[in-house]
Amino acid sequence: DGGITQSPKYLFRKEGQNVTLSCEQNLNHDAMYWYRQDPGQGLRLIYYSQIVNDFQKGDIAEGYSVSREKKESFPLTVTSAQKNPTAFYLCASSTDTYEQYFGPGTRLTVT
Amino acid sequence: GENVEQHPSTLSVQEGDSAVIKCTYSDSASNYFPWYKQELGKRPQLIIDIRSNVGEKKDQRIAVTLNKTAKHFSLHITETQPEDSAVYFCAASMGGYSTLTFGKGTMLLVSP
Repeated sequence: DGGITQSPKYLFRKEGQNVTLSCEQNLNHDAMYWYRQDPGQGLRLIYYSQIVNDFQKGDIAEGYSVSREKKESFPLTVTSAQKNPTAFYLCASSTDTYEQYFGPGTRLTVT
Repeated sequence: GENVEQHPSTLSVQEGDSAVIKCTYSDSASNYFPWYKQELGKRPQLIIDIRSNVGEKKDQRIAVTLNKTAKHFSLHITETQPEDSAVYFCAASMGGYSTLTFGKGTMLLVSP
């Protein structure tokens, strides 16, 4: 399970609170991605970053923010503006060889 | 942008049967088509992929076929086993650092 890690595995928050999900990789990959997974919806892209200090919005970026200060790290903040934040969040990384490697995921529950 | 449709959403087979999952894509510029397997509560893992310069690729019991003219690709699993039970996702991209667009997944159930 080495290579790309996410923490914590489970996260519980009250509505109205911001929460930050961690994603770290030691694969020396340039690109990193955040996906949201809901039952029956597949994987939807939130944000991605191809190089340090640069990132782009994906299909469902509203209510989320990211930073990419280090090559190894790509944290995701779920803000109080995200209307339905409860979901399974997956981080991934890749080189230019096409394959994306996924982390183990963080299951976020907001009540 | 790219749109990927995946069918069926659920598939039940008997152990030893074959299973076929089909995907269509909309962007003719897409040239990389991976398939991921995700077991319950786990991360998706790449099981096979194909690039547009190839029509078919096999890896033991798994094969993928690509028809670029029709813009569809399929996953074929032969001699299915209970441990093949999982959700399978297809995806498409233009390769390199391009983003992947995923289908909504197929839940495969293999009964002993």
